[in-house]
Amino acid sequence: AAGVIQSPRHLIKEKRETATLKCYPIPRHDTVYWYQQGPGQDPQFLISFYEKMQSDKGSIPDRFSAQQFSDYHSELNMSSLELGDSALYFCASSLSGDSSYNEQFFGPGTRLTVL
Amino acid sequence: AQKITQTQPGMFVQEKEAVTLDCTYDTSDQSYGLFWYKQPSSGEMIFLIYQGSYDEQNATEGRYSLNFQKARKSANLVISASQLGDSAMYFCAPFPPSSGSARQLTFGSGTQLTVLP
Repeated sequence: AAGVIQSPRHLIKEKRETATLKCYPIPRHDTVYWYQQGPGQDPQFLISFYEKMQSDKGSIPDRFSAQQFSDYHSELNMSSLELGDSALYFCASSLSGDSSYNEQFFGPGTRLTVL
Repeated sequence: AQKITQTQPGMFVQEKEAVTLDCTYDTSDQSYGLFWYKQPSSGEMIFLIYQGSYDEQNATEGRYSLNFQKARKSANLVISASQLGDSAMYFCAPFPPSSGSARQLTFGSGTQLTVLP
């Protein structure tokens, strides 16, 4: 079965550089979520998209932006990178709707290291 | 705001024994379901089990089961016959009840389970 695809898997950047993370959700899933997990922490919600429209925002810095494209893939753009942005970034997708149970399937994550 | 409490930062269990990981949550209403995810050292988040708030029976999925006490807002994960591969971080996350839109997860702080040979 197809899973959530994230690229790249690993990324090393210098301070003040920019980074773009990509996410390809499971086919027919209409919702994408981005989470950030710092070392030794639980994943924190950043932003979500439902049917290609931004749905909700969490603790996403103003230096970050994201969008979802017509093919449902999503990109997280990060500018002016700081050391504290070093983390594991997850993308998850789900099929929303009236069902009471919509499992979020997580991608393998992109490990970003800012030097 | 939701508050999710996992009171056990670390747990040890002997291989083949059962272990219970605690999770309580404080949400705005009782309609929330609850997910449990496993995160091994490799980093991926693996879905384990889901408990719906209106499910009359505790959820089970293979060696995983939930001890769900709705009134107490707790959904403890029970892993039976522990295996070495169960060593990982375990997160619980309440699942919001609204439909037709994104429902992001808020995770607890996690429990690091170590299975001893």
